[in-house]
Amino acid sequence: NAGVMQNPRHLVRRRGQEARLRCSPMKGHSHVYWYRQLPEEGLKFMVYLQKENIIDESGMPKERFSAEFPKEGPSILRIQQVVRGDSAAYFCASSPPRATGYNEQFFGPGTRLTVL
Amino acid sequence: GQQLNQSPQSMFIQEGEDVSMNCTSSSIFNTWLWYKQDPGEGPVLLIALYKAGELTSNGRLTAQFGITRKDSFLNISASIPSDVGIYFCAGRIDRTGGTSYGKLTFGQGTILTVHP
Repeated sequence: NAGVMQNPRHLVRRRGQEARLRCSPMKGHSHVYWYRQLPEEGLKFMVYLQKENIIDESGMPKERFSAEFPKEGPSILRIQQVVRGDSAAYFCASSPPRATGYNEQFFGPGTRLTVL
Repeated sequence: GQQLNQSPQSMFIQEGEDVSMNCTSSSIFNTWLWYKQDPGEGPVLLIALYKAGELTSNGRLTAQFGITRKDSFLNISASIPSDVGIYFCAGRIDRTGGTSYGKLTFGQGTILTVHP
C-alpha cells in the first residue's frame, strides 16, 4: 500500500531555469491537489486536478506555473523561469473518487525547491 | 478568500501535560480537519470532523467542530515526546451528496515542543 509519492524530494534550480515536480497518487485515487508551503507557514492551495482535467486552479499564479494530470503517468507541476520567491516546499495530495463517501486528502512527503 | 486563525503559534510543555489548540474562521466550513507535520515530511491526517457540534476522539486526541461551523479545537491529553511537531487545522467548504472533495484552507500551524 504505497502512499502518495513525490519526486524529486529536493530540487535545486538557478534563476530562469524550469522546475518539474512529479506526484504519483495513492492506488485507486483519481483526484490530485497541489499545495505550496513557505517556511514557517501553513500550506496554500494551488490547483486541484482529476485525470486530464483541471477542476480548480484558483490558487495558481497566473504566470509561469502550470499543472497537468495525464491519463497515464504522474501529475506534473511545472514552474518556468523560476525566481527566488518560488523557493518553498510543494506538497501533493490525493483522494479517492467522489462516489466512495467521505474521502480525505492524503499528502506526499513534498518536494523542497531551492532557487539559487 | 477564507482565512483560518490558529492559536497558539507555539507551545512548550512538559511530558504528561494536556495541550489545547484552536482555529477560528471568518467564514463557514463544512469540514474541519486536523493534521500533524513532522520536519521534512508531509502532513498526516489526525482527525476529520463533518458535522457542527461533532466531538471525535482518536486515542489521546480529541477534536470538536464548533456549532457555528467557524471554529474547531484539538486537545492532546497526557502528551509524550513523540507528540512534538507542527499541528495544522484545515477547513473545506465543498461538500456535495455526502462526499467530500475540493481544496483545503490551512491555518498557520501550532509548533508543539514537549520536554521529557
